[in-house]
Amino acid sequence: SQQGEEDPQALSIQEGENATMNCSYKTSINNLQWYRQNSGRGLVHLILIRSNEREKHSGRLRVTLDTSKKSSSLLITASRAADTASYFCAIIQGAQKLVFGQGTRLTINP
Amino acid sequence: GAVVSQHPSWVICKSGTSVKIECRSLDFQATTMFWYRQFPKQSLMLMATSNEGSKATYEQGVEKDKFLINHASLTLSTLTVTSAHPEDSSFYICSAPVTGLQETQYFGPGTRLLVL
Repeated sequence: SQQGEEDPQALSIQEGENATMNCSYKTSINNLQWYRQNSGRGLVHLILIRSNEREKHSGRLRVTLDTSKKSSSLLITASRAADTASYFCAIIQGAQKLVFGQGTRLTINP
Repeated sequence: GAVVSQHPSWVICKSGTSVKIECRSLDFQATTMFWYRQFPKQSLMLMATSNEGSKATYEQGVEKDKFLINHASLTLSTLTVTSAHPEDSSFYICSAPVTGLQETQYFGPGTRLLVL
């Protein structure tokens, strides 16, 4: 079953602005991951944050994790048109099985 | 980096026919692969776990006789949609765990199935 809920479901911003997406989950986790999906394509792994980490950076990406609130956020700074995609958070259930949130559809307007 | 490929990328078939989708790990071995299904503007739903040399493990609600999975080698898993119907039209994506970092996965580019 879907464990993650993301908001907003859709986000449209101007190029150069920052984009923030949020994810909530229900169970205890060892880590939480973020993936990107371009339209009609497979998913690309962006970043993994472990349960003992509060914040992690990768290039223009910043991920936070609050295990007490069972929530995570993904911030994309200085957005570009190429960042237009759907973004999913995911947690592991059982043996390696990824369970995805509903996703946020991000549109960057030039 | 490691790549997962899928074939075909899209397929159109008549209702009642069977369709086979291949998922290959191109430069690494995968004892486990996963099959997902995604409807438009929705998230990925795990259908089954494909295990090399043994039976696949299906998620609750997924008909194993309808979605046949065969993991015949360490680089190939196939999903066969048997007696396809229009409601089976969807985007099917496979994935394989990353060697040395089993918590993350490489995803194939997906196969779009349209059943008429």
